Amino acid sequence: AQTVTQSQPEMSVQEAETVTLSCTYDTSESDYYLFWYKQPPSRQMILVIRQEAYKQQNATENRFSVNFQKAAKSFSLKISDSQLGDAAMYFCAYRSLPGEDTDKLIFGTGTRLQVFP
Amino acid sequence: DAGVTQSPTHLIKTRGQQVTLRCSPKSGHDTVSWYQQALGQGPQFIFQYYEEEERQRGNFPDRFSGHQFPNYSSELNVNALLLGDSALYLCASSAIGGYYEQYFGPGTRLTVT
Repeated sequence: AQTVTQSQPEMSVQEAETVTLSCTYDTSESDYYLFWYKQPPSRQMILVIRQEAYKQQNATENRFSVNFQKAAKSFSLKISDSQLGDAAMYFCAYRSLPGEDTDKLIFGTGTRLQVFP
Repeated sequence: DAGVTQSPTHLIKTRGQQVTLRCSPKSGHDTVSWYQQALGQGPQFIFQYYEEEERQRGNFPDRFSGHQFPNYSSELNVNALLLGDSALYLCASSAIGGYYEQYFGPGTRLTVT
């Protein structure tokens, strides 16, 4: 069974600075998807960025980028130029390739990010 | 384009009672997944519905059941509520063959007293 581990319960960053959130996972599959979701106090889970394991190039979405190390099974999220609105819980999630029994997301326990002005 | 909607927003029930939570998927989506998120934890997969059938199920007891209607909306039913069922229940919709994204609703906060 696949597992996702987030070892940083809380992180903090100064506004305009850069912060990196860590995520490791365990799987025996060779192809899969990885995601970072943001959950603000409003509770709505919002997709931040996704990475297909077969792609070597790290995904980037504006100020958000990932460092995907497939061999190390590591998937960290870097937030550049942090903004007050980035404050939220961040969840790393794993999903197998689409199939009969593989559509579920497996989440880590989350990292609470605080952003200070 | 309406996103995923859930009702009610909050719910308080007594131990032993039964509860029904509702979800309407994003327009164009045909698959609904339900997750339970306990306080301070990541969401845990309950089950998924597609074509009005339960397609896969997580490690939850039979007290948790669901239904999907022809318009793709879905219900989550929990019988014989326990204090430990208190959680945020999230609904996510996707399109079969949609390789990436599950879109989440705002959740229903269930408190069991």
